[in-house]
Amino acid sequence: EIVLTQSPGTLSLSPGERATLSCRASQSVSSSYLAWYQQKPGQAPRLLIYGASSRATGIPDRFSGSGSGTDFTLTISRLEPEDFAVYYCQQYGSSPKITFGQGTRLEIK
Amino acid sequence: QVQLQESGPGLVKPSQTLSLTCTVSGGSISSGSYYWSWIRQPAGKGLEWIGRIYTSGSTNYNPSLKSRVTISVDTSKNQFSLKLSSVTAADTAVYYCARDVVATIRNYYYYYMDVWGKGTTVTVSS
Repeated sequence: EIVLTQSPGTLSLSPGERATLSCRASQSVSSSYLAWYQQKPGQAPRLLIYGASSRATGIPDRFSGSGSGTDFTLTISRLEPEDFAVYYCQQYGSSPKITFGQGTRLEIK
Repeated sequence: QVQLQESGPGLVKPSQTLSLTCTVSGGSISSGSYYWSWIRQPAGKGLEWIGRIYTSGSTNYNPSLKSRVTISVDTSKNQFSLKLSSVTAADTAVYYCARDVVATIRNYYYYYMDVWGKGTTVTVSS
């Protein structure tokens, strides 16, 4: 089973700053199987990035994804107040087995 | 656009079977290359994939839950359903349904969940 480990657990930043969130896989993951989601309190997750680097429909271009193999990154170039939320990475593995990282909480400093 | 809505009892007794339905609106559950997934989230914790179904009826389950899970589809009602047997307090969570996309782009398969229901809270308690 592929385990996704996200870091940091909590990231404290101010609006306007750049956020860099990491997702590390215990085994190599195909880039096309890696997605990122944003979840705000009381809401369902929202797809941000699929295929490691492709923005979903309607997602602002301040969100970008990168990486390959076992290391993937979600970058938010300039934080807006509405970006403070929890972010999850997700991978589709063999079996198939879909797994999520434990999440990174992005909070206002 | 496609919307998903979960429904079912909010309270289930221990050892009983949890049953939820996801109704798809704004599009046919049978159209396109989609699986239909169930995911759950205990309060204050992360997301756990439960399983998914294709409209052909083919299913995939999380191995950790496989012995207790059944997912089915009713294309005539545009719905898919989850049954989780022998529940305990550990099954208390918000349950989400989601559309699980299989996209082929330049000969590569892409997988992701692009539409989610709002979620429904299920508590297991006597």
